[in-house]
Amino acid sequence: DIQMTQSPSTLSASVGDRVTITCRASQSISSWLAWYQQKPGKAPKFLISKASTLQTGVPSRFSGSGSGTEFTLTISSLQPDDFATYYCQQYSEYSWTFGQGTKVEIK
Amino acid sequence: QIQLVQSGAEVKKPGASVRVSCKASGYTFPNHGISWVRQAPGQRLEWMGWISTYNGNTNYAQKFQGRVTMATDTSTRTVYMELRSLRSDDTAVYYCARDGNYDYAWGYFDYWGQGTVVIVSS
Repeated sequence: DIQMTQSPSTLSASVGDRVTITCRASQSISSWLAWYQQKPGKAPKFLISKASTLQTGVPSRFSGSGSGTEFTLTISSLQPDDFATYYCQQYSEYSWTFGQGTKVEIK
Repeated sequence: QIQLVQSGAEVKKPGASVRVSCKASGYTFPNHGISWVRQAPGQRLEWMGWISTYNGNTNYAQKFQGRVTMATDTSTRTVYMELRSLRSDDTAVYYCARDGNYDYAWGYFDYWGQGTVVIVSS
């Protein structure tokens, strides 16, 4: 299976900060990468597909980039609702696999 | 609005089986497949498999082959996931999620159920 590794595992930030999360794949996945946001006790929420395609209704402060093995999720100006755990997920080949998550917490 | 509503929490003994249901509403049911994803305590999300709600075709993760069965009932717009020979490390929250069209999985999950807690303990 393709291994997905996120960094950092935890990120402390303040409202208004620009935040970047990195996701690396163990082999090339082209742009077959999705991002999700999960809050405690809730199901993940779908944010981005194909590395950079923002889903309908997702605020424009979220953006994704990258291809091959290295990807980033950026939040341009962190808002109170954005404190959560973020997961990347590859869908280049079975079995689809997720990163270990990055928790964005209040500084 | 699109909703996936899952069945309630389960407590099972090791070696038993569990069946979780996922009822869909708000979209044309046969047009989209369903994947199952689980999350053990403190662990990353783990994809288990996919089923076409159009023809019942399945694609299971190798890790769960032989132990999982997914089924669909178009008349009730419900998908089922059964996991057998339960072990303590199957304790997790199990999610269903919309994935793909009638014929193949997209590989990403745009709508999720609320999750079903399954506890395996003697």
